[in-house]
Amino acid sequence: EAGVAQSPRYKIIEKRQSVAFWCNPISGHATLYWYQQILGQGPKLLIQFQNNGVVDDSQLPKDRFSAERLKGVDSTLKIQPAKLEDSAVYLCASRRDRGVQEQYFGPGTRLTVT
Amino acid sequence: AQSVTQPDIHITVSEGASLELRCNYSYGATPYLFWYVQSPGQGLQLLLKYFSGDTLVQGIKGFEAEFKRSQSSFNLRKPSVHWSDAAEYFCAVGGLTGGGNKLTFGTGTQLKVEL
Repeated sequence: EAGVAQSPRYKIIEKRQSVAFWCNPISGHATLYWYQQILGQGPKLLIQFQNNGVVDDSQLPKDRFSAERLKGVDSTLKIQPAKLEDSAVYLCASRRDRGVQEQYFGPGTRLTVT
Repeated sequence: AQSVTQPDIHITVSEGASLELRCNYSYGATPYLFWYVQSPGQGLQLLLKYFSGDTLVQGIKGFEAEFKRSQSSFNLRKPSVHWSDAAEYFCAVGGLTGGGNKLTFGTGTQLKVEL
């Protein structure tokens, strides 16, 4: 079974530029998460999807961050415009369904904003 | 609100020595508890999980953890550490709540293994 795929693995941009990250969850997993992991901290949930609907986006800075999961499979997270404090690893995770708590993580995208 | 505290930021042990990583949680209902490991440049890999039942749970790579409700703790242990165990370890708490079953992670413990 293929794991959670993410791309790109690394991205360097200047502040005020825009960037997009892509995630392909494990096949059949209905729930998808985006986390932000700042250096020296644990992952912080940004947004959770159940199929193509948003379950929780309370921690998403909506003035600059957006995410979508149009067909209930792949997802894209966008930042526009980026700030220096957005430098972090962005992790995508998926889970099969509501009754199963275990989340499977992708390798992450390391974003550096200069 | 749910929270996790990992009081040790860095731990160094000798190869072959025993290991215990501490985790304390705060959660208003029955918690689901997890330990994940993250190697440099990698995503998080699940080591073990506690949902219910036996409070001593076994995981992969020879790790185990014990759930102690009275102490709100879920410490991770390994009797004999290998050099390949050097990584960052995260404890997380979650549950079946209206908040969509989200996990809250601790800040992590960086493990260094001396040969």
